[in-house]
Amino acid sequence: SQKIEQNSEALNIQEGKTATLTCNYTNYSPAYLQWYRQDPGRGPVFLLLIRENEKEKRKERLKVTFDTTLKQSLFHITASQPADSATYLCALESGASKIIFGSGTRLSIRP
Amino acid sequence: ETGVTQSPTHLIKTRGQQVTLRCSSQSGHNTVSWYQQALGQGPQFIFQYYREEENGRGNFPPRFSGLQFPNYSSELNVNALELDDSALYLCASRLGVEETQYFGPGTRLLVL
Repeated sequence: SQKIEQNSEALNIQEGKTATLTCNYTNYSPAYLQWYRQDPGRGPVFLLLIRENEKEKRKERLKVTFDTTLKQSLFHITASQPADSATYLCALESGASKIIFGSGTRLSIRP
Repeated sequence: ETGVTQSPTHLIKTRGQQVTLRCSSQSGHNTVSWYQQALGQGPQFIFQYYREEENGRGNFPPRFSGLQFPNYSSELNVNALELDDSALYLCASRLGVEETQYFGPGTRLLVL
């Protein structure tokens, strides 16, 4: 069956370090993959989209990679700050206009 | 702010009742999706509407239904509410496939 897994429920790292979050999927061949940030009690906010023919995408301190052979995307936040603390969700669109989300990784950046 | 609004923000219903949740999309966004998010989980896709027609559906029973209107507003209707329907309900609008989704703040539904 189709599945998306985000590597851990929670990640706790020191301010200034690079946070790396993982998203693995099985039984999909997505044309693209998205990453979102969600704060408690709020809707998700779109961060980055990466297409299957793109290996890497960057936006300020954020970097996303997409390996369709490994069926994996990595999401990096460099020079992390306490304000980056949130839940990060990966999502992909299967056929038939269905967008499937992972369960999220809760990231905490300690000062 | 994403330009997507939802109402009401919170709602309490009892088992067996019916509920209607509303969403107002960004102007020009002809695609709207609805999601259910339980505590500690990612959003679960309920369905998507494109130009007032349902064009995608997740694993939700028929008692979850929707409508999309020409003025970029939409509704999610849930009949015969069950306790497990308690969740945050999110709508998201976008211009089209591969475009950014803009989420509303959600409606928190509690079924007693």
